[in-house]
Amino acid sequence: DAKTTQPPSMDCAEGRAANLPCNHSTISGNEYVYWYRQIHSQGPQYIIHGLKNNETNEMASLIITEDRKSSTLILPHATLRDTAVYYCIVRANRDNYGQNFVFGPGTRLSVLP
Amino acid sequence: DSGVTQTPKHLITATGQRVTLRCSPRSGDLSVYWYQQSLDQGLQFLIQYYNGEERAKGNILERFSAQQFPDLHSELNLSSLELGDSALYFCASSVEIATGRDQQYFGPGTRLTVT
Repeated sequence: DAKTTQPPSMDCAEGRAANLPCNHSTISGNEYVYWYRQIHSQGPQYIIHGLKNNETNEMASLIITEDRKSSTLILPHATLRDTAVYYCIVRANRDNYGQNFVFGPGTRLSVLP
Repeated sequence: DSGVTQTPKHLITATGQRVTLRCSPRSGDLSVYWYQQSLDQGLQFLIQYYNGEERAKGNILERFSAQQFPDLHSELNLSSLELGDSALYFCASSVEIATGRDQQYFGPGTRLTVT
């Protein structure tokens, strides 16, 4: 089972920041938070990941709360091409066996003109 | 473009048949993952290989098998196909595993239709 909870859908106006929340209240100390997105039926696209510090790259920012029980993915200036299903995944990176990604239903983000 | 290639893009076959899906990982990536995505199931992890060795198994049916070759490409074999096997099959690759540098890069997928 997925260890995360996300809203099933969200809307965002084009040009505005999109803030996608994710709850992972049972996260363990060695588990990272990963974000992926899937545009229509294309292959999922890696966005960003982090352990406890906030992270930023050319696509997005990841804000993780101090207790690590929730996080927010921020797309600073959403465009129509950001319309996709966004997946938040928690995953441990402590051994070489048996670790795989569990994709939940995600959040369907619609960017509106 | 993620750098992961999958062939074929589309495959239409009949029930009871056997097919092979092929995946070439990004240059330098040692780990390959296979996923199935059907309309009613979402993305389901099937199996993972690292440098030729099987590392993790998910919800992979006994009729399905996979392998990773010395050149690191991977093949997913699906046999005795049923209508319910119709789905998108994705391959992903990562540089490493279990290090925080194992973000996966997905290929464009193979759409399998079983008639």
